[in-house]
Amino acid sequence: SAVISQKPSRDICQRGTSLTIQCQVDSQVTMMFWYRQQPGQSLTLIATANQGSEATYESGFVIDKFPISRPNLTFSTLTVSNMSPEDSSIYLCSVQGNIQYFGAGTRLSVL
Amino acid sequence: KQEVTQIPAALSVPEGENLVLNCSFTDSAIYNLQWFRQDPGKGLTSLLLIQSSQREQTSGRLNASLDKSSGRSTLYIAASQPGDSATYLCAVVGGTSYGKLTFGQGTILTVHP
Repeated sequence: SAVISQKPSRDICQRGTSLTIQCQVDSQVTMMFWYRQQPGQSLTLIATANQGSEATYESGFVIDKFPISRPNLTFSTLTVSNMSPEDSSIYLCSVQGNIQYFGAGTRLSVL
Repeated sequence: KQEVTQIPAALSVPEGENLVLNCSFTDSAIYNLQWFRQDPGKGLTSLLLIQSSQREQTSGRLNASLDKSSGRSTLYIAASQPGDSATYLCAVVGGTSYGKLTFGQGTILTVHP
């Protein structure tokens, strides 16, 4: 099993600012995944983060808006840049083991 | 592009009822299918994972079936309890998309005493 810790659990931010979300896993994993859940919607994959290489982004998501770091096999960060109210969502970190494990998520509100 | 649909969008039942949640997907070339539970303010909890070669999985009062050829899965919950109230999400992993889940919109389940 894998235990995932995300920080912060929630935040309220001003338009135009940036927020960095941290994800820590209790075991080494090759790939980490970042998802977004907009209000009333299901989860959408933002990008896949591999240690030692650039993240791979899904259609509709770009590195300038959602830069990702993956400095080692247990940690990753997702930054939401130049935020607007449309970025208000829950952001979740995930890893693949025998099943898919998710962190508790970061609930972001942009004013 | 894979699309996942869940029916119904919401369901309200009295305690003790058996119920079925439905999930359909458009591309049958999947690696596996997972059912998750999401509670308000919390992350996702994996309930059952069915590999593409399997037909069903059971855990306690939960039973999930998979018919890959028809692109369908069902989650059966027996003897429902108020603690089962949550959003249930179905997600598939494509045959070549390791770890990348495509989610349905979810079914909001309310079990009232």
